[in-house]
Amino acid sequence: SQQGEEDPQALSIQEGENATMNCSYKTSINNLQWYRQNSGRGLVHLILIRSNEREKHSGRLRVTLDTSKKSSSLLITASRAADTASYFCAPGGSQGNLIFGKGTKLSVKP
Amino acid sequence: DAGVTQSPTHLIKTRGQHVTLRCSPISGHKSVSWYQQVLGQGPQFIFQYYEKEERGRGNFPDRFSARQFPNYSSELNVNALLLGDSALYLCASSLVSVGWSYEQYFGPGTRLTVT
Repeated sequence: SQQGEEDPQALSIQEGENATMNCSYKTSINNLQWYRQNSGRGLVHLILIRSNEREKHSGRLRVTLDTSKKSSSLLITASRAADTASYFCAPGGSQGNLIFGKGTKLSVKP
Repeated sequence: DAGVTQSPTHLIKTRGQHVTLRCSPISGHKSVSWYQQVLGQGPQFIFQYYEKEERGRGNFPDRFSARQFPNYSSELNVNALLLGDSALYLCASSLVSVGWSYEQYFGPGTRLTVT
């Protein structure tokens, strides 16, 4: 299946610290996406990394992709209280739909 | 440009009733997908429509159906509601869908409560 599995399930850090979340998947992919969801609301697309890319940056976000290990990581640097949310990875393949795991629940304490 | 819009925001229904949820995609987006998210879980894929045709279906019973209109808006219908259908229903739109997974833009969701 294309479902991603996020790790850890929950992460609690202090404001200003870095947060790292990991994603593992089982099948070949064309791209991998990361989304954020604030409590009870819609998901927000953060970043898409293609299978031929190893690293991608967007502001305070850094995503890496290791297709040989079928894993990805999302790093949020200098975290803020507003980063408190659930983060989901979605491996993308030949299907148009996304399959989400349970996510990583990040709590950033001021 | 307006983002993905969904209506209604909240809905309370009784077991056995029928519900219709509506979604308007971002202008220019031709693909609409529906997801169900129960508390504590990630969104689960229900349907995807592209150019008014069903392109994908998740593991949901036949009580769930959907359609896409010529203006690319979409409806999700659920018949014979069960308590377990209580969830946040999310709609997402994207430019294309055929063949590959593209970034999707989500609406704020409809919170359905079945009593």
